[in-house]
Amino acid sequence: KNEVEQSPQNLTAQEGEFITINCSYSVGISALHWLQQHPGGGIVSLFMLSSGKKKHGRLIATINIQEKHSSLHITASHPRDSAVYICAVYYGGSQGNLIFGKGTKLSVKP
Amino acid sequence: DVKVTQSSRYLVKRTGEKVFLECVQDMDHENMFWYRQDPGLGLRLIYFSYDVKMKEKGDIPEGYSVSREKKERFSLILESASTNQTSMYLCASSDYRARSYEQYFGPGTRLTVT
Repeated sequence: KNEVEQSPQNLTAQEGEFITINCSYSVGISALHWLQQHPGGGIVSLFMLSSGKKKHGRLIATINIQEKHSSLHITASHPRDSAVYICAVYYGGSQGNLIFGKGTKLSVKP
Repeated sequence: DVKVTQSSRYLVKRTGEKVFLECVQDMDHENMFWYRQDPGLGLRLIYFSYDVKMKEKGDIPEGYSVSREKKERFSLILESASTNQTSMYLCASSDYRARSYEQYFGPGTRLTVT
């Protein structure tokens, strides 16, 4: 079965710290997504990656296809970054089904 | 601005009741999905639909059914609600023509079955 593993499950940081969340998957993929879920439920897409690196503001996402691994970095973390971060991968098929990691709960303290 | 809406944010139902959760998207997407989200288990796919009147079982379809009579609307039905169906339910849609396979999520419905 295709698996997506995220680490850590929970992460507490002080404001200003550099944060890294990791995602590993078991077989070759077509695309990987990083999603953010704030308390209250709504999920938004942060990045879609198929290779290399993407940056948006203080968020950076990287992917290593050979190692089947992706990282999400947050620079100069802020309490408003507190959320659950979810990695999801697309393995193929016309329906666009994603396989989700269990998420990383981040809490940034002021 | 893309939009996926769900009929209720919070819902409390009694065991044995029939429950309808509605999802509407305004992006003309072909694909629609229903997930439940539980602590420690992440998002699990219940059903998905890739066209009107088409449906496919996901990983945990037992106790649920779905209906897609119109392209923009995808309904999740709990035929006889049970306490183990207390959960957060999330609907999503995606455009199969988009190579990103990005899914757009609704705000979620937190269902409590007592």
